[in-house]
Amino acid sequence: AQSVSQHNHHVILSEAASLELGCNYSYGGTVNLFWYVQYPGQHLQLLLKYFSGDPLVKGIKGFEAEFIKSKFSFNLRKPSVQWSDTAEYFCAVKVGYQKVTFGTGTKLQVIP
Amino acid sequence: SQTIHQWPATLVQPVGSPLSLECTVEGTSNPNLYWYRQAAGRGLQLLFYSVGIGQISSEVPQNLSASRPQDRQFILSSKKLLLSDSGFYLCAWSGIGTGDSPLHFGNGTRLTVT
Repeated sequence: AQSVSQHNHHVILSEAASLELGCNYSYGGTVNLFWYVQYPGQHLQLLLKYFSGDPLVKGIKGFEAEFIKSKFSFNLRKPSVQWSDTAEYFCAVKVGYQKVTFGTGTKLQVIP
Repeated sequence: SQTIHQWPATLVQPVGSPLSLECTVEGTSNPNLYWYRQAAGRGLQLLFYSVGIGQISSEVPQNLSASRPQDRQFILSSKKLLLSDSGFYLCAWSGIGTGDSPLHFGNGTRLTVT
């Protein structure tokens, strides 16, 4: 069965700092990869996704992620964070067209 | 547009009582449906998913069950709740046929078992 690891549980950054959140998955076959974000008091919503093609994908609000197949990784990045990026971020792996497994999440706190 | 409804928003139930949480989706046909439990520090734990009426895949053997009596209806149940069933339950749907179809989440149900 697939699994997802997010090693950073809580990250604190100052505004304008660069962000990288790690995500590693374990599954030997084809996967689809997602990052979701949950702002305080809100639903989980899609940030970006990788399906095929260019391994560097861009999402909303200036976020991007790079799929490195050899490392089973899909790290999330943003060059310069804002206070409004304070949220919890979840990496997810979809196997086939059905089963979606999430990581444990990373809480990001951006200090103004 | 598609919408997902999940109710109730909050629920307090005594140990040993039954449970029924309902989720319905509007504006799409034959969605994949999911039940997750979200706990602080543990992320989202996949409980059940369904690819069609009457088709349920269980991910975590526990005190819960799921049913899909209609195409866009997904129900999470328990015959006798345990204290450990307390948590935040999320229903979600995704489109079928494409691997990159994301999940769309409901508002969630906060269940407290006393």
